[in-house]
Amino acid sequence: QTVVTQEPSFSVSPGGTVTLTCGLTSGSVSTSYYPSWYQQTPGQAPRTLIYSTKIRSSGVPDRFSGSILGNKAALTITGAQAEDESDYYCVLYLGSAISVFGGGTKLTVL
Amino acid sequence: EVQLLESGGGLVQPGGSLRLSCAASGFTFSSYAMSWVRQAPGKGLEWVSATSASGASTYYAGSVKGRFTISRDNSKNTLYLQMNSLRAEDTAVYYCAKHPDIGSYYYMDVWGKGTTVTVSS
Repeated sequence: QTVVTQEPSFSVSPGGTVTLTCGLTSGSVSTSYYPSWYQQTPGQAPRTLIYSTKIRSSGVPDRFSGSILGNKAALTITGAQAEDESDYYCVLYLGSAISVFGGGTKLTVL
Repeated sequence: EVQLLESGGGLVQPGGSLRLSCAASGFTFSSYAMSWVRQAPGKGLEWVSATSASGASTYYAGSVKGRFTISRDNSKNTLYLQMNSLRAEDTAVYYCAKHPDIGSYYYMDVWGKGTTVTVSS
């Protein structure tokens, strides 16, 4: 069974930079998994931020960027703002229409 | 404006059934693959099921295979999720989500607001 790992929580100061990661318990994440990232605030539906590793979805501020760092996918927020305080989920595509979500990272901006 | 609106959630007893609907608008529904994603209370997101644009191909997570059935009516711009043999662990908010094109499942670009399913006696 494929398990996608994320940091359970992270904190960043306003204006600071934070990198959230998305890995596999077995193996490395590559662009072949088409990593995508979603933002969710409590009680709201997810919002698509990044797809295909590094492509920003329409309307997403350019302070959000995606990449592969080592053997993980990464979401970097440069110049974090208070409204970025949310849960962040990565998704890896396994093929055959099957996607696996990571457990999510709760980001605190303080 | 592209919109997805789920309905059909509610309280159901263990072992019972429920059918969720997702009404789509603002895009050519029949041209896009669709998925259901759920979120148990206080937990993360979980992909549940996907269907091709035509509905001819369907896919399921292991946790629901054999109990849930995804389908769509392209003439009504509506996606469905028939849920049978429901268990307490199926309690969640269920979101429908659109994929970016006819044959791509690698990410979801539009999300509905969700409908809540509670399985309890």
